[in-house]
Amino acid sequence: AQSVTQPDIHITVSEGASLELRCNYSYGATPYLFWYVQSPGQGLQLLLKYFSGDTLVQGIKGFEAEFKRSQSSFNLRKPSVHWSDAAEYFCAVGDDGKLIFGQGTTLQVKP
Amino acid sequence: GAGVSQSPSNKVTEKGKDVELRCDPISGHTALYWYRQSLGQGLEFLIYFQGNSAPDKSGLPSDRFSAERTGGSVSTLTIQRTQQEDSAVYLCASSLDFGPNTEAFFGQGTRLTVV
Repeated sequence: AQSVTQPDIHITVSEGASLELRCNYSYGATPYLFWYVQSPGQGLQLLLKYFSGDTLVQGIKGFEAEFKRSQSSFNLRKPSVHWSDAAEYFCAVGDDGKLIFGQGTTLQVKP
Repeated sequence: GAGVSQSPSNKVTEKGKDVELRCDPISGHTALYWYRQSLGQGLEFLIYFQGNSAPDKSGLPSDRFSAERTGGSVSTLTIQRTQQEDSAVYLCASSLDFGPNTEAFFGQGTRLTVV
């Protein structure tokens, strides 16, 4: 069965530090991969997506993610975190049109 | 409208009552999805619509849950005889069409609390 694993439930980083959020997927075919962000009381906002082609994809708000087929991973990165990045982040795989989400990673940013 | 609109934003109901949650998708979007977000289960797919038909209802937790979509637009998710375990945030999303690589836009959700 298709699944997405986000190993880190909670991460704390200092403002200005780099960030990497991990995502591993299990999917039989070529995956369609997404990262969404959810700020408190808000709906989900798409940060970036990977369908094919260049394995390093750029998204909004300075985020990027790299697809590594050999590792079944799609980790999200940002070189320098801002306090406004504090939120919950969800990795997802597209499965026949619907999304299968990971459990989410809550990011806390220290001043 | 400019985005996906859900109403009400918050709903408190007594156990055993029926509730209706409404989703107004982005104009022109043919696909509409319902998800549920709860503490223990994360984000779960419930059902999707392509036009007015629902090819995949596999995520509906029980026969107390049903959904319909009329006119290829507004959708209503109905929960009958609510239980405490139904307490969650119900998220609606829409996309221009249906497929694995189409971007889904999410509403802000309806927070349902069953007391």
